[in-house]
Amino acid sequence: LAKTTQPISMDSYEGQEVNITCSHNNIATNDYITWYQQFPSQGPRFIIQGYKTKVTNEVASLFIPADRKSSTLSLPRVSLSDTAVYYCLVGDHTGGFKTIFGAGTRLFVKA
Amino acid sequence: EAQVTQNPRYLITVTGKKLTVTCSQNMNHEYMSWYRQDPGLGLRQIYYSMNVEVTDKGDVPEGYKVSRKEKRNFPLILESPSPNQTSLYFCASSLVGGGEKLFFGSGTQLSVL
Repeated sequence: LAKTTQPISMDSYEGQEVNITCSHNNIATNDYITWYQQFPSQGPRFIIQGYKTKVTNEVASLFIPADRKSSTLSLPRVSLSDTAVYYCLVGDHTGGFKTIFGAGTRLFVKA
Repeated sequence: EAQVTQNPRYLITVTGKKLTVTCSQNMNHEYMSWYRQDPGLGLRQIYYSMNVEVTDKGDVPEGYKVSRKEKRNFPLILESPSPNQTSLYFCASSLVGGGEKLFFGSGTQLSVL
């Protein structure tokens, strides 16, 4: 199972774009990349998932280079409410039943 | 509403007193899993289940038991709780496997005295 590495913490200001990069050097061919957001004392919440290139939804974009050994979660124009921990997770849809979250990236958005 | 329901939300108990944390999902998901979260350690997987009567160990299974007799329910059992099991616990489910979109419950804060 691919292990992921993320920065421990990041600071930003309201209105800025934030990019959080996740390294997953051992990603397997069938693995997808999924990002979750977690607020204190709440369960993680799905943000976005992708396999390659770029995926965009109403809250974020996910950029995946051709070698897929890393991925970048992009949060446009963050607000104070985006202060949370962000987790990158790698696994496939069929056999990746064991999930490894890692410590995540703590994003702090300042006014 | 699609959801994963955990109970109780908070639980205080004493060492050695058996307890069960319940988890139920209403999405007909095959996959269910339990995690514990401790400060600075992120989420660590305890047990997971790929379907009814199929369970397997995660990274930190010691001191825990699970069962999957019905598709919707996946209780976490602590036969003899110890203080090092004081933690925030989350149940999650997904359609097929861990790589699928996971839906999490609201968490159970357990304190073992």
